[in-house]
Amino acid sequence: EVQLVESGGGLVQPGGSLRLSCAASGFTFSSYAMSWVRQAPGKGLEWVSVIRGSGGSTHYADSVKGRFTISRDNSKNTLYLQMNSLRAEDTAVYYCAKVDADMVNGYFDNWGQGTLVTVSS
Amino acid sequence: SYEVTQPPSVSVSPGQTARITCSGDALPNQYAYWYQQKAGQAPVLVIHKDSERPSGIPERFSGSSSGTTVTLTISGVQAEDEGDYYCQSADSSGTYVVFGGGTKLTVV
Repeated sequence: EVQLVESGGGLVQPGGSLRLSCAASGFTFSSYAMSWVRQAPGKGLEWVSVIRGSGGSTHYADSVKGRFTISRDNSKNTLYLQMNSLRAEDTAVYYCAKVDADMVNGYFDNWGQGTLVTVSS
Repeated sequence: SYEVTQPPSVSVSPGQTARITCSGDALPNQYAYWYQQKAGQAPVLVIHKDSERPSGIPERFSGSSSGTTVTLTISGVQAEDEGDYYCQSADSSGTYVVFGGGTKLTVV
């Protein structure tokens, strides 16, 4: 059974940093692209970033480009999202999602339960 | 930046057919995927590659594509189908993923 467990969310001040983690199990982690998707309170889903299985290719939404960095440690079956220069509009539940294949635009066949990031002074 | 557009809300009576559309210029060349999200829960995939239904998803869920519009159809809607539905696709380069704004399905 595929399991994705996010951690690292919390309250941070504007301009601050936070690192999210996603522990994966139940599949061959390095064989699949992984993504972060966020959802602001009461709003829709917003794709944030994707990373290929090897970690060699990454892409970002314009809204986070230059501020967020996605990475993965295939030896630990863990996905990360380093978030810097955080803004109030980054407040959201952040979901870790497994892509159906090792491709940047596939569909998300498994999702974590999400971790809440709140950016506020 | 590229966008796909959904109606904000759709209302149907139990047993009727609900149709939720998603429009975007790149849809003739990029697959669309559909997710159902219930309050407080993570999204669940209900249709992939325009019209394929994952295992475990009821047969009343189907998808179709025509030009720049894809459609999620729920036949014989049940009360448990209430929730938010999102389409997902990619821009013409296939590099950037995009979600529609979501459609709230109400069963009245």
